Amino acid sequence: DARVTQTPRDKVTEMGQEVTMRCQPILGHNTVFWYRQTMMQGLELLAYFRNRAPLDDSGMPKDRFSAEMPDATLATLKIQPSEPRDSAVYFCASGLGDSYEAFFGQGTRLTVV
Amino acid sequence: GQSLEQPSEVTAVEGAIVQINCTYQTSGFYGLSWYQQHDGGAPTFLSYNGLDGLEETGRFSSFLSRSDSYGYLLLQELQMKDSASYFCAVRGIYGQNFVFGPGTRLSVLP
Repeated sequence: DARVTQTPRDKVTEMGQEVTMRCQPILGHNTVFWYRQTMMQGLELLAYFRNRAPLDDSGMPKDRFSAEMPDATLATLKIQPSEPRDSAVYFCASGLGDSYEAFFGQGTRLTVV
Repeated sequence: GQSLEQPSEVTAVEGAIVQINCTYQTSGFYGLSWYQQHDGGAPTFLSYNGLDGLEETGRFSSFLSRSDSYGYLLLQELQMKDSASYFCAVRGIYGQNFVFGPGTRLSVLP
């Protein structure tokens, strides 16, 4: 059963701490997306990778957020330092080539107190 | 950039038909997708329109008019389990960086 796997599912951290979220895309998929979802802003695209190269990270606050793909089976989203306004659900999604379908993971619910 | 508009909420009764509209402004448009998201869940793909016209998938259909920058999702024979949020999403200038609309919350009443 191919699926996108995200860890952790839930994370509560104190303001100022570093947070790392991980995503394992579906095997063979070569595009990876990071989204942030809040009630106020909806689903915001943070970053987009194709063949492990970042193609678009214009939606990501550069001063504290960073996204990487160390290898084809792992994508990471890091926040340092975290702030209460970063509290949201962070979704990773993957896709294949020019396919119009993105497959979402179950998300990481981040709470920064 | 891209911007999309959807109604925030729609309510209908079981067995009815409901249409959720989406208008968009974008450069480099490639296609319009629709996703469903239940509370606490992840968005899941429903339908895609790359060309003008109607695409049908079971009880769900989606329509696109490029000239009007407009699309809609049509849900027929509504069931309680269809209560969810529905998002339209535009494929952006790189061909696959989907930008999502604000979502429409559908409530299906008995």
